[in-house]
Amino acid sequence: AQSVTQPDIHITVSEGASLELRCNYSYGATPYLFWYVQSPGQGLQLLLKYFSGDTLVQGIKGFEAEFKRSQSSFNLRKPSVHWSDAAEYFCAVGAQGFGNEKLTFGTGTRLTIIP
Amino acid sequence: DVKVTQSSRYLVKRTGEKVFLECVQDMDHENMFWYRQDPGLGLRLIYFSYDVKMKEKGDIPEGYSVSREKKERFSLILESASTNQTSMYLCASSQGGSYNEQFFGPGTRLTVL
Repeated sequence: AQSVTQPDIHITVSEGASLELRCNYSYGATPYLFWYVQSPGQGLQLLLKYFSGDTLVQGIKGFEAEFKRSQSSFNLRKPSVHWSDAAEYFCAVGAQGFGNEKLTFGTGTRLTIIP
Repeated sequence: DVKVTQSSRYLVKRTGEKVFLECVQDMDHENMFWYRQDPGLGLRLIYFSYDVKMKEKGDIPEGYSVSREKKERFSLILESASTNQTSMYLCASSQGGSYNEQFFGPGTRLTVL
C-alpha cells in the first residue's frame, strides 16, 4: 500500500521569499504523484502532477516540483511567493492499474504568508 | 467548465439519523470518490467507484455506504450518524486511469449532534 508523509504541518514565509514544501512517499513501483492546493473555503485544485518522463514538472501559479526516486521525494517549490499563495497544500500518491485509481493524500502543510 | 457539485455546503443532523450526501459531476467521468477531511489527518478515502453500480472500499469505510446508480451521481450514506462522523466531506471525480486529475467539489461540512 502506498503512503505519503508531509513532515511540515505549518510553514510561514515572507511575501517574495522562496518556498519549498516537502513530500515523501512510499510505493513499490513508479508512483503517480500530485500536488493539490486548497484555498480557504475552496475545494482542492490540482497544481501539478508527475507520472513519467522529466523529473522536474511545472504547474500552475508558478509552482514546480521535482521527483527524486533515490530520496522518495516530490518537493514543491516556488521562487517567490505571493500573499494569494496562503493555503493548505496536499501531496498525494496514486497507484497504477485499472480499478486502483485511488489517491493517498498526505496530512497537508498549511502555508502562511507574512508581509 | 468542469464541475462537481455537492448537495449541501452545511448540514446538521442528530445522532442516529440516516444521512445522504449527494454528489453530481458533469464531465462524464468514470471514477468518483468520497473523502473525509479532518484537521491534522488530511484527506482519507471512504469509498470510490470506477463504474456504475461498482464500488470499492477506501481506507475508512466503516459506518458508511455508497450508491452509484447513474454515472454522474455518487451518494454517500451514513446509516446511523454518530458524533465521530462530524467532518468535512469531499466528493471528487476523474477519468479512468490513475494518472488523471481528480476534480473536487466544494465540500459538505456535516455536524452530528
